[in-house]
Amino acid sequence: GAVVSQHPSRVICKSGTSVKIECRSLDFQATTMFWYRQFPKQSLMLMATSNEGSKATYEQGVEKDKFLINHASLTLSTLTVTSAHPEDSSFYICSAETRDSVYGYTFGSGTRLTVV
Amino acid sequence: QKEVEQNSGPLSVPEGAIASLNCTYSDRGSQSFFWYRQYSGKSPELIMSIYSNGDKEDGRFTAQLNKASQYVSLLIRDSQPSDSATYLCAVDSPGNQFYFGTGTSLTVIP
Repeated sequence: GAVVSQHPSRVICKSGTSVKIECRSLDFQATTMFWYRQFPKQSLMLMATSNEGSKATYEQGVEKDKFLINHASLTLSTLTVTSAHPEDSSFYICSAETRDSVYGYTFGSGTRLTVV
Repeated sequence: QKEVEQNSGPLSVPEGAIASLNCTYSDRGSQSFFWYRQYSGKSPELIMSIYSNGDKEDGRFTAQLNKASQYVSLLIRDSQPSDSATYLCAVDSPGNQFYFGTGTSLTVIP
């Protein structure tokens, strides 16, 4: 099946620093990737949709200058949390559309970000 | 109105019983429906996908879709403690927007 590799799985950073999260599609080409954020006991919330070679589309309320998304190739999308603050601490998950109706969307394993 | 709605639960069932999880959606044009299971602190994993009205069975899991009534359900037969998790319903709308429900927390009591 389709696999999306997400790294790092956990990261602790100081307030004000930037953190980059990577998602790679290992055995398929992901023209579209989605980035979600999940706070404890809440559902996944879509942050942005990235398409290879073009600018990401951000959901309302998500600061595009703070959450930088780059989808430079068909197998790699990155999310950079810039000038992180404690309120950015969350579980970030990427997913890719496999274009295989059997699988739908495949998720990365998630990144637990803690900003101290 | 939310795009996808689920009863947040928690839902508790005894081991061996049938767990029934329900989901409704608002966009009549939706064509693809998915159930994901998410353990605490983990990423969601796909359990079932369904595209046509009726039932789809896979092992102990049965997904049911009724497009006229705009609901999709998941039945888990012979529930096991390892089934305890949050179950997310997801709908792929015609605009290629993927919507999740808030999830239903299921606890299977040994």
